[in-house]
Amino acid sequence: EVQLVESGGGLVKPGGSLRLSCAASGFTFSSYSMNWVRQAPGKGLEWVSSISSSSSYIYYADSVKGRFTISRDNAKNSLYLQMNSLRAEDTAVYYCARDGGYRSGWLPDIWGQGTMVTVSS
Amino acid sequence: QSALTQPASVSGSPGQSITISCTGTSSDVGGYNYVSWYQQHPGKAPKLMIYDVSNRPSGVSNRFSGSKSGNTASLTISGLQAEDEAVYYCSSYTSSSTPGVFGGGTKLTVL
Repeated sequence: EVQLVESGGGLVKPGGSLRLSCAASGFTFSSYSMNWVRQAPGKGLEWVSSISSSSSYIYYADSVKGRFTISRDNAKNSLYLQMNSLRAEDTAVYYCARDGGYRSGWLPDIWGQGTMVTVSS
Repeated sequence: QSALTQPASVSGSPGQSITISCTGTSSDVGGYNYVSWYQQHPGKAPKLMIYDVSNRPSGVSNRFSGSKSGNTASLTISGLQAEDEAVYYCSSYTSSSTPGVFGGGTKLTVL
């Protein structure tokens, strides 16, 4: 079964840091680009960051550029998001999502269950 | 403000059909046949319902269909069922520097 499982969310004070992880299973992780997408409470989906299969291409939304770092370990079938200098507006559910590639229009096809990040004093 | 424009809400009675629109530009929806639709129930992750404008992943009901005309994509749900009540998001490949763009979401209420 194709599966993505996020972990690492929690409550953190403004200015603090968190590292999110996403464990992939059921597919050849090293063949796919991966994404982090977030959803603030009661709001829509926002693309946060993307990384290509070999880590040669990385994208960050302007809202997180310079504060967040995406990475992956293909040997461990894992995706990461290091979040520093967190702000209240970063409060959201963070989803790990597989880029389906040519099979699904270069858009997400598989999503994890999400992990909640709350930034509050 | 989302890159793709969707109506905030739509509603329909069981058994009826509804259509949700998703309007972009020639740089995204209008320029590529790479539009996806996602269904999200409260507290759950988004689920892919349509990809490449009109293709259904395995396991998705054939009551769900997609189409596109110019810069506007559409999701049609026929034979509405109570379980279809959810928020639906469109997404498109784009020629901009971003990997893709999302619509703001449309809440479907089954009356």
